[in-house]
Amino acid sequence: RKEVEQDPGPFNVPEGATVAFNCTYSNSASQSFFWYRQDCRKEPKLLMSVYSSGNEDGRFTAQLNRASQYISLLIRDSKLSDSATYLCVVNPSAGGSYIPTFGRGTSLIVHP
Amino acid sequence: NAGVTQTPKFQVLKTGQSMTLQCAQDMNHEYMSWYRQDPGMGLRLIHYSVGAGITDQGEVPNGYNVSRSTTEDFPLRLLSAAPSQTSVYFCATGRGTENYEQYFGPGTRLTVT
Repeated sequence: RKEVEQDPGPFNVPEGATVAFNCTYSNSASQSFFWYRQDCRKEPKLLMSVYSSGNEDGRFTAQLNRASQYISLLIRDSKLSDSATYLCVVNPSAGGSYIPTFGRGTSLIVHP
Repeated sequence: NAGVTQTPKFQVLKTGQSMTLQCAQDMNHEYMSWYRQDPGMGLRLIHYSVGAGITDQGEVPNGYNVSRSTTEDFPLRLLSAAPSQTSVYFCATGRGTENYEQYFGPGTRLTVT
């Protein structure tokens, strides 16, 4: 099993739709989790951290399910500008190596 | 603030040539790292540094060297370029090993022929 797995998509949704991505991880001791956004041929940019209690930033909601070892990202009211690849990142437990693991990304295409 | 800068943006090398990819940051971050991104693969960590004078290997360190003489700069050296090193290289910084939020530079697209 890969350490961090994402459905590569693409998820093709109309403007205004709600879309959700999941990301599963294999290391139960993982400490911290993030979602990044990457536009075509650009660098990844931090979208949001994922907290145990879940967190929301505008139209974006991130959740962590430690029991089932996955994180999720929900995007409400999708905009054309949300089209991008979304990367989940899982970081090791404190005191371990400082080697975060990136998923391969989920592609989102929002169409008019 | 420039954030994280990388030079060059594009580079073509012949097999066997050496070169240095530059990364500089003005965010006063202790943690710096180099990744490569290949089609169909996630970002893979090459080397990282938790502070000036300290470096360590990531997942795919072979064929690359790094040094960290200052907080601001973290160059990546390709010792003898190979076609397998054709990739997009990203430098990233972070506040520290307790906070893994990372900020990426714009990348260097390297082709080795």
